Amino acid sequence: DVKVTQSSRYLVKRTGEKVFLECVQDMDHENMFWYRQDPGLGLRLIYFSYDVKMKEKGDIPEGYSVSREKKERFSLILESASTNQTSMYLCASSSGEVSYNEQFFGPGTRLTVL
Amino acid sequence: GQNIDQPTEMTATEGAIVQINCTYQTSGFNGLFWYQQHAGEAPTFLSYNVLDGLEEKGRFSSFLSRSKGYSYLLLKELQMKDSASYLCAVTDGDYKLSFGAGTTVTVRA
Repeated sequence: DVKVTQSSRYLVKRTGEKVFLECVQDMDHENMFWYRQDPGLGLRLIYFSYDVKMKEKGDIPEGYSVSREKKERFSLILESASTNQTSMYLCASSSGEVSYNEQFFGPGTRLTVL
Repeated sequence: GQNIDQPTEMTATEGAIVQINCTYQTSGFNGLFWYQQHAGEAPTFLSYNVLDGLEEKGRFSSFLSRSKGYSYLLLKELQMKDSASYLCAVTDGDYKLSFGAGTTVTVRA
């Protein structure tokens, strides 16, 4: 079974702090994704990565950056957390064999910025 | 750009049938996914349609009409455990998914 894990289920940070969210997958997937999920807005793509050291902006990249130094790990960084970044953050991965492969999701990190 | 619409909420009785509609207007299309998400949990894959027609998988079926930009997810013989959010998502063939806002289904006894 594919397993996607995220470093924390719940996180509370203060405005202005630098925040790291970590995601690890164990299925040797090429593609990894970071989403945020807000009520009434659904899942919105922040960043994604096709391969190690590669990254592409999604629909809402402002205020975020990412890092992919190893194939199994994809990190989301909030350089200076703000209250409007309070949200549920979901990581996902998929195989790069074909473009329509299903994405497998982690359990999510609920981030609160005070 | 991508525009994906689905109803916000639906309520049905245990044992009944519920149909969740999804309409989409997208710049590219290479298939439509349905995911199920229980409260506080990760979304899990239900179905993928790329050709017109109905795909049946146990109590769940998914339909696609590419010409109409329309899909539905049909849940039969509803059970209490089917209470969840159902997410419609479209892929343009570039690995990415664009999601609708999700439909929360509540199953009542």
